[in-house]
Amino acid sequence: AQSVTQPDIHITVSEGASLELRCNYSYGATPYLFWYVQSPGQGLQLLLKYFSGDTLVQGIKGFEAEFKRSQSSFNLRKPSVHWSDAAEYFCAVGARSGYSTLTFGKGTMLLVSP
Amino acid sequence: EAEVAQSPRYKITEKSQAVAFWCDPISGHATLYWYRQILGQGPELLVQFQDESVVDDSQLPKDRFSAERLKGVDSTLKIQPAELGDSAMYLCASSTPPRTEAFFGQGTRLTVV
Repeated sequence: AQSVTQPDIHITVSEGASLELRCNYSYGATPYLFWYVQSPGQGLQLLLKYFSGDTLVQGIKGFEAEFKRSQSSFNLRKPSVHWSDAAEYFCAVGARSGYSTLTFGKGTMLLVSP
Repeated sequence: EAEVAQSPRYKITEKSQAVAFWCDPISGHATLYWYRQILGQGPELLVQFQDESVVDDSQLPKDRFSAERLKGVDSTLKIQPAELGDSAMYLCASSTPPRTEAFFGQGTRLTVV
């Protein structure tokens, strides 16, 4: 069964500083990988996705993520955080075969300090 | 831009009452998901449809929850009777196979009192 671990429940970053949110997955092969963002009381918005090819993927709002097969990781990064980035971030994994279901991590809450 | 529509946005119901949520996926999306998200946690899959067929309902509490997608388009999730522990955000999402990029609705926030 596939699973996702986001080891950091909360992270606080100063505005303008760089950000890295960690994600590790468990899956028998290379999965599809996603990062979603959720503002309070809202649904989930897709930030970026990895299906194949270049292991460094670019997303919306200046985010990027790097797939590292050897580490089973898909960490999310942003070089300079804005106050509006404060939200909860979810990493998700999807199987490549069958009726692939998205499995989510427990999320990381990003707080941005002035 | 096409969106997944959900209603209602908020629902307060008393324990032991019945409650239903509705979802209209993006047009043409064959796959529809219902997720439950407890406050402070990630979404957990309740049921997944491919067209009108259920392909995964292993985590659906079938003694009280039911879901249908009769014509393979919109879907209804029902809880009867509701329990206090059902208080959560219920999220609907849709996607087009074989890519599993899912698009989410705004969710229904359920409070059981």
